[in-house]
Amino acid sequence: SQQGEEDPQALSIQEGENATMNCSYKTSINNLQWYRQNSGRDLVHLILIRSNEREKHSGRLRVTLDTSKKSSSLLITASRAADTASYFCATAAHYNQGGKLIFGQGTELSVKP
Amino acid sequence: DTAVSQTPKYLVTQMGNDKSIKCEQNLGHDTMYWYKQDSKKFLKIMFSYNNKELIINETVPNRFSPKSPDKAHLNLHINSLELGDSAVYFCASSQAKAGGFYEQYFGPGTRLTVT
Repeated sequence: SQQGEEDPQALSIQEGENATMNCSYKTSINNLQWYRQNSGRDLVHLILIRSNEREKHSGRLRVTLDTSKKSSSLLITASRAADTASYFCATAAHYNQGGKLIFGQGTELSVKP
Repeated sequence: DTAVSQTPKYLVTQMGNDKSIKCEQNLGHDTMYWYKQDSKKFLKIMFSYNNKELIINETVPNRFSPKSPDKAHLNLHINSLELGDSAVYFCASSQAKAGGFYEQYFGPGTRLTVT
């Protein structure tokens, strides 16, 4: 299976703490993306990192990518209760595979006020 | 303005029925997708269309038939519904760029319940 794996499956932290989620995948990629899904089921794109990039920032988000280990991590700094959601990594295959995303199992993040 | 819209949001039907889900995007993207999210939240791609042409068909039963009348619309028709088809179905779109496809924009999902 090409499915990615995320770790941990669930994470519970206090507001203000940092949250780190990890993702591993199995095949070579064009890019890796992180998505967030709230309880209302809206799936929202957070950040994309290309295979030739090692780190990327967006606001309170920091993503790293290690293609030699086929792994990525998402760090959310100074978490807020509103960050409570499921977070998915998704790998995008190369152009000739039609741009499909292969999603990980997701990490359920709970941020307590 | 909603970027990717789906109708209906909820669909409850009996086994054996045929149903359709519609999707429209106003982002001007040329690629659209259908994903299925099961009860364990696992998201899996079903189909992808690029400029009305099918480019991905991920071994989905042929009871599922996508149709793209134009690049802004991608509909999903399901024949002879089964209990295992119960899931949330998401439509998405993206734009192909030099070197690859990039972020995907998802619709709100259609929760299908087959009884």
